[in-house]
Amino acid sequence: QKEVEQDPGPLSVPEGAIVSLNCTYSNSAFQYFMWYRQYSRKGPELLMYTYSSGNKEDGRFTAQVDKSSKYISLFIRDSQPSDSATYLCAMSAPGGGNKLTFGTGTQLKVEL
Amino acid sequence: NAGVTQTPKFRILKIGQSMTLQCAQDMNHNYMYWYRQDPGMGLKLIYYSVGAGITDKGEVPNGYNVSRSTTEDFPLRLELAAPSQTSVYFCASSYPHGGTSGRAGETQYFGPGTRLLVL
Repeated sequence: QKEVEQDPGPLSVPEGAIVSLNCTYSNSAFQYFMWYRQYSRKGPELLMYTYSSGNKEDGRFTAQVDKSSKYISLFIRDSQPSDSATYLCAMSAPGGGNKLTFGTGTQLKVEL
Repeated sequence: NAGVTQTPKFRILKIGQSMTLQCAQDMNHNYMYWYRQDPGMGLKLIYYSVGAGITDKGEVPNGYNVSRSTTEDFPLRLELAAPSQTSVYFCASSYPHGGTSGRAGETQYFGPGTRLLVL
């Protein structure tokens, strides 16, 4: 079993739709949870960061962490064509050099 | 502030050749990382460093070497290139836990990547 599981997609939605992206994990030591966005042929860039359980909102983006279920989500409201990218979840445990464990990424396409 | 820079952008190697992928950051980050990204496989950690003179293996270190003589630079060396090393390589850097922003599990900043093809 992989330490972090993420549906690879691709996911295609119409402009304006609400998008839900998810990851599950098995390592209960993970405390820090991140979502990275990666455009084609570019490096990943941090989109959202959450410590432990709870919700965090930033504009059209909401990140949720449910540590009891080992499940994290990213919601995108009013999706735009510019949101078309691969979304990678990542997580880390305290100590050990901030090493991140990544999901495989979900490819999202928002169509006009 | 250039952030994390990587050279070259693209390289073709023959089996058995060697090369060094360069990575530099100007954010005074202590921590630096090398990842490889294969299609549908996410990012795998090759090596990381928590400061000048200190390096450690990640998940997939075989076939690679690193050194960290300065805070700014973290080159990745491939000694005997193999087709299995065809990939996109990303360098990243971060503050240590609880760095200047006070947040633990600090953000990793990524470079633009180096595409390597081994034939």
